[in-house]
Amino acid sequence: NAGVTQTPKFRVLKTGQSMTLLCAQDMNHEYMYWYRQDPGMGLRLIHYSVGEGTTAKGEVPDGYNVSRLKKQNFLLGLESAAPSQTSVYFCASSNPSGGSTEAFFGQGTRLTVV
Amino acid sequence: DAKTTQPTSMDCAEGRAANLPCNHSTISGNEYVYWYRQIHSQGPQYIIHGLKNNETNEMASLIITEDRKSSTLILPHATLRDTAVYYCIVRAPFGGANSKLTFGKGITLSVRP
Repeated sequence: NAGVTQTPKFRVLKTGQSMTLLCAQDMNHEYMYWYRQDPGMGLRLIHYSVGEGTTAKGEVPDGYNVSRLKKQNFLLGLESAAPSQTSVYFCASSNPSGGSTEAFFGQGTRLTVV
Repeated sequence: DAKTTQPTSMDCAEGRAANLPCNHSTISGNEYVYWYRQIHSQGPQYIIHGLKNNETNEMASLIITEDRKSSTLILPHATLRDTAVYYCIVRAPFGGANSKLTFGKGITLSVRP
């Protein structure tokens, strides 16, 4: 069982470059999330999706865009990378069930912007 | 806005029970208490959750006070592999504006040999 898979695992970008992080889940989950985690901090929500074709802003959405064209995939885009976007990015998915459910997380993407 | 308060760190001896406290004095009647942990910068891992009653699974037990303003996660026999950051999270049922997982800084548990 793959669960939640993030691609790539590591990336170094130059300031101003663009890239897309891919999150894929094979559990048929409705909800998907993108978080970032900076050193010594908890995870902060960037964007999330409650179903195919839907997206919504989280706590720190500026500088990022997302798309959910297929239920199993959630893409996070950086149009013009900045050093402040150096972070570890985590994707997660979950399914609403009876009001409570657990979220499954990927192993993270370590992004460095120089 | 943080809805939970946890100590910054604690330690315990291997083989002993680890009791991790969490305060959530502003919790609403329909909000759940969730616990996740993060081992050495891996993706967070779900541990347990509860609403009113105490809960137990193969990983841990969750004790929620009667007034629901605080809870304790219990790892009955801590091992070195349990060294991690543990996050206590209050979450509304799905569909509400507050149904997302909001992480604080968590508590760092160090299990010593």
